[in-house]
Amino acid sequence: DGGITQSPKYLFRKEGQNVTLSCEQNLNHDAMYWYRQDPGQGLRLIYYSQIVNDFQKGDIAEGYSVSREKKESFPLTVTSAQKNPTAFYLCASSIAGNSYEQYFGPGTRLTVT
Amino acid sequence: GQQVMQIPQYQHVQEGEDFTTYCNSSTTLSNIQWYKQRPGGHPVFLIQLVKSGEVKKQKRLTFQFGEAKKNSSLHITATQTTDVGTYFCAGRDSWGKFQFGAGTQVVVTP
Repeated sequence: DGGITQSPKYLFRKEGQNVTLSCEQNLNHDAMYWYRQDPGQGLRLIYYSQIVNDFQKGDIAEGYSVSREKKESFPLTVTSAQKNPTAFYLCASSIAGNSYEQYFGPGTRLTVT
Repeated sequence: GQQVMQIPQYQHVQEGEDFTTYCNSSTTLSNIQWYKQRPGGHPVFLIQLVKSGEVKKQKRLTFQFGEAKKNSSLHITATQTTDVGTYFCAGRDSWGKFQFGAGTQVVVTP
């Protein structure tokens, strides 16, 4: 069954700790994306990757880091430098290019206290 | 920079009624996509519009791309409880930058 998986569904961390969110896809998509969703603000792009070993900053990359060592995996690290890390994080993938829809994972809800 | 705005932010609809949600971009778009996110779920792709003035239908949903390719609309007829959720538009500009609107949250009362 093809798709995108994100784990865990809920994550709790203390302020000052780095945390890594997992995103795996078996759709054979080249492009992968990380979005942050806050109430009333839609989806904001954090980072994206069009190909393995390459990634670009999105609109709100500060305080986040990513890696793309494998086509299937695009983990996101929320660092202690991110001032408001509590949010719903969505990972997506698509065929590379400008005309393809994005497939989203179920999301990870991160709470930092 | 590019801005994509959606109105209204909230839409309360009586079951059986029609409604329209609008998406407006500050720049000309190369294409626009619409997604639906059910409460507690993740966005799911509905449709993509590419051509100026394009109209596409999916059962009770009608999507339209404006002639200037700067706005789009989603019209739902005979609203059902299954239409509950947040509808997002996402526009791509000529540089390939892709931006989601803030969404229209739809609540349906029986």
